[in-house]
Amino acid sequence: DTAVSQTPKYLVTQMGNDKSIKCEQNLGHDTMYWYKQDSKKFLKIMFSYNNKELIINETVPNRFSPKSPDKAHLNLHINSLELGDSAVYFCASSQVTGNYGYTFGSGTRLTVV
Amino acid sequence: AQSVTQLDSQVPVFEEAPVELRCNYSSSVSVYLFWYVQYPNQGLQLLLKYLSGSTLVKGINGFEAEFNKSQTSFHLRKPSVHISDTAEYFCAVSDTNTNAGKSTFGDGTTLTVKP
Repeated sequence: DTAVSQTPKYLVTQMGNDKSIKCEQNLGHDTMYWYKQDSKKFLKIMFSYNNKELIINETVPNRFSPKSPDKAHLNLHINSLELGDSAVYFCASSQVTGNYGYTFGSGTRLTVV
Repeated sequence: AQSVTQLDSQVPVFEEAPVELRCNYSSSVSVYLFWYVQYPNQGLQLLLKYLSGSTLVKGINGFEAEFNKSQTSFHLRKPSVHISDTAEYFCAVSDTNTNAGKSTFGDGTTLTVKP
């Protein structure tokens, strides 16, 4: 039973398309995150939600919009995809706000062609 | 704001040898510190964490790390590595004074264990 699950695992799409990545956690955690890992494996935080409330919104293009329908789900919608959006996107969750360590999903590899 | 510097981008080592992966951090406030491991084509897995208390922290897979406040370091060690330890290792820091829960990650160290 996967603790943090992301779908899809792979996503190949053309420039200009709109796509969504879904994330669900069954750990009962209050806080969820989206991180982007580029081709050099650098990890950068994009968003964080605590119990459906947005608490971190880093400098991310407006084309990226997170949505949290409940505290167990955090989805990421991307409009007008660009080549530079190609990366691995990780969802993560933590037990309490303040971060005592993350549980990561297995990632979604997005390739924009 | 915090920052993390992993001093070695690549560490090759022979099987059964000891290894140390070095991590320095910078912060104006108290921090929590973490090491994560990422195996190929997988997500990151928490190896160990320092929140408070004893500066020597033991984690999974035989790894340990020591928090050194004066040197602002949190180096990861294992006395004898296995081929299966080949992976990417990330050091991360989080501010204890904020409830935002954001972690800042280092650039990673690639550990390659050779037979």
